[in-house]
Amino acid sequence: LAKTTQPISMDSYEGQEVNITCSHNNIATNDYITWYQQFPSQGPRFIIQGYKTKVTNEVASLFIPADRKSSTLSLPRVSLSDTAVYYCLVATPNTGGFKTIFGAGTRLFVKA
Amino acid sequence: GAVVSQHPSRVICKSGTSVKIECRSLDFQATTMFWYRQFPKQSLMLMATSNEGSKATYEQGVEKDKFLINHASLTLSTLTVTSAHPEDSSFYICSARDTAGNQPQHFGDGTRLSIL
Repeated sequence: LAKTTQPISMDSYEGQEVNITCSHNNIATNDYITWYQQFPSQGPRFIIQGYKTKVTNEVASLFIPADRKSSTLSLPRVSLSDTAVYYCLVATPNTGGFKTIFGAGTRLFVKA
Repeated sequence: GAVVSQHPSRVICKSGTSVKIECRSLDFQATTMFWYRQFPKQSLMLMATSNEGSKATYEQGVEKDKFLINHASLTLSTLTVTSAHPEDSSFYICSARDTAGNQPQHFGDGTRLSIL
């Protein structure tokens, strides 16, 4: 299972773009990269998933370089409600018995 | 989108009680579900993998007789904390994944278990 490393915490201000980078040096060929957001006393919420290059949805973008040893979650124009813990995970999704191991996550604090 | 429902959201009970937590995939079938435990200010810790129609696979250090898992259908897995004690108090979270295609895991909203 690929281990992930993220910054422990980040601070930002409302309206700014926030980029959170995750390192996964031993990512496997079939692994996908998935990002989750977690608020206190709630389960993680899916944000975005990708395999390579760039993926964009209505809430975020995910940038993955060619070597796939890292990835960057980009949150455009954050608001106070984006204060949460963000987890980067790598796993092979089409394997029946695959399991996801969480790293420490990045605690993002958005200030007014 | 895919929804995972977890029930109850909060349980407070006396020491020695057994507590059952349900995890349901509402709009997809899940042959595999996962159970996590999370302590305050910490990350999620995988406890076990629940397999439909077969025994669960437990992570190292997790007592299978303490945390009973049953996955009787493609949409329901249950976790029973047997003879719960105060040290079992924690936030328990389940997840499931639609096995069709490269779908991500989706998580329930968690169960806050407090043992008095």
